[in-house]
Amino acid sequence: KNQVEQSPQSLIILEGKNCTLQCNYTVSPFSNLRWYKQDTGRGPVSLTIMTFSENTKSNGRYTATLDADTKQSSLHITASQLSDSASYICVVRGGGSQGNLIFGKGTKLSVKP
Amino acid sequence: DVKVTQSSRYLVKRTGEKVFLECVQDMDHENMFWYRQDPGLGLRLIYFSYDVKMKEKGDIPEGYSVSREKKERFSLILESASTNQTSMYLCASSMPLSRGGNQPQHFGDGTRLSIL
Repeated sequence: KNQVEQSPQSLIILEGKNCTLQCNYTVSPFSNLRWYKQDTGRGPVSLTIMTFSENTKSNGRYTATLDADTKQSSLHITASQLSDSASYICVVRGGGSQGNLIFGKGTKLSVKP
Repeated sequence: DVKVTQSSRYLVKRTGEKVFLECVQDMDHENMFWYRQDPGLGLRLIYFSYDVKMKEKGDIPEGYSVSREKKERFSLILESASTNQTSMYLCASSMPLSRGGNQPQHFGDGTRLSIL
């Protein structure tokens, strides 16, 4: 069964600290993996996308990694800011003509001053 | 910049009422989607549409229907609202897979619906 599992469910860190969010998937065939950020009361917004051939991609203080062999991705946040407090959702697109999206349940990150 | 607008941020309705949630996008996207988001369950797909007057069931279509009479507008209908339909509803749009499998879905800010 195609699944996307995220860990931890929630995380509290102090401002300025780094953190890493995990996403493991069993989706096959695989097309791509995307991380979304969802601020409280807002819709999700795309942070970055990882395709099969990409190992690492950075977007400012956010760095995503992908290991297609072990079917794992991580989102690393450097020097966290209060504005990083949000839910982070991992979404995997399956291959083929349907290209169905499989959503993880998200990690809720709280950055405290 | 893509904008997906949902007509209401908050809505309170009574059990048994017929409820309409409206969504409009301004980027001429073919694909539109309706999700509900519940704590601990994440986003779940209710219905989607690949074109005007076309609709496909998602993972949890029971109790819902949709309408897509114009390309930019996608409506979600709760035929007879029940308390277990209290949730956050999110609309999204995207390019078709054939023209951009790597393009993101663009989401509205959601409608928080309470059924009393």
